[in-house]
Amino acid sequence: EVQLVESGGGLVKPGGSLRLSCAASGFTFSSYSMNWVRQAPGKGLEWVSSISSSSSYIYYADSVKGRFTISRDNAKNSLYLQMNSLRAEDTAVYYCARDGTGDIDYWGQGTLVTVSS
Amino acid sequence: QPVLTQSSSASASLGSSVKLTCTLSSGHSSYIIAWHQQQPGKAPRYLMKLEGSGSYNKGSGVPDRFSGSSSGADRYLTISNLQSEDEADYYCETWDSNTRVFGGGTKLTVL
Repeated sequence: EVQLVESGGGLVKPGGSLRLSCAASGFTFSSYSMNWVRQAPGKGLEWVSSISSSSSYIYYADSVKGRFTISRDNAKNSLYLQMNSLRAEDTAVYYCARDGTGDIDYWGQGTLVTVSS
Repeated sequence: QPVLTQSSSASASLGSSVKLTCTLSSGHSSYIIAWHQQQPGKAPRYLMKLEGSGSYNKGSGVPDRFSGSSSGADRYLTISNLQSEDEADYYCETWDSNTRVFGGGTKLTVL
């Protein structure tokens, strides 16, 4: 059974940093591209970043480019999102999501990031 | 990059059928999309991948009541024999070489 478990969320002050992790199991992690998708309170889904299976290709939404860094460790079956220079508008539930054959085919349960003073 | 447009809300009666629409922007009418369901307070759940031809592939465990179809730039999700647990937000998703896009979502109310 595919499982994606996020961790690392919490309360952080504006300008601060946070590192999210996603532990993957139930599939060959190193064969799949992965994504981070976020959802602000009461809002829709917003794609944040993608990373290919071997980390060769990395993409970011314009809203986080230059502030967030996606990475992965295939030996540890883990996906990461380093978030720097956080703003109030980054407050959201952050989901780890697997890229199936182009589309997202599995989601984690999410971790809440709150940016507030 | 593509843009996906969804109606903000829809409603239908218990046991009836409903057809939700996701419209691709001009120049992107051939794109494949995916449908996701998000029940209140839960993470999204993958429903299916839907091609412009109308061919679709559902995710593991998705009931037969869920089906997809296409017409031009429109992609549809039809839910038959509506159940109370189908009350949820439904999002369509598509992707390009370096980006991924979601529609604004449709909030489905089961009456």
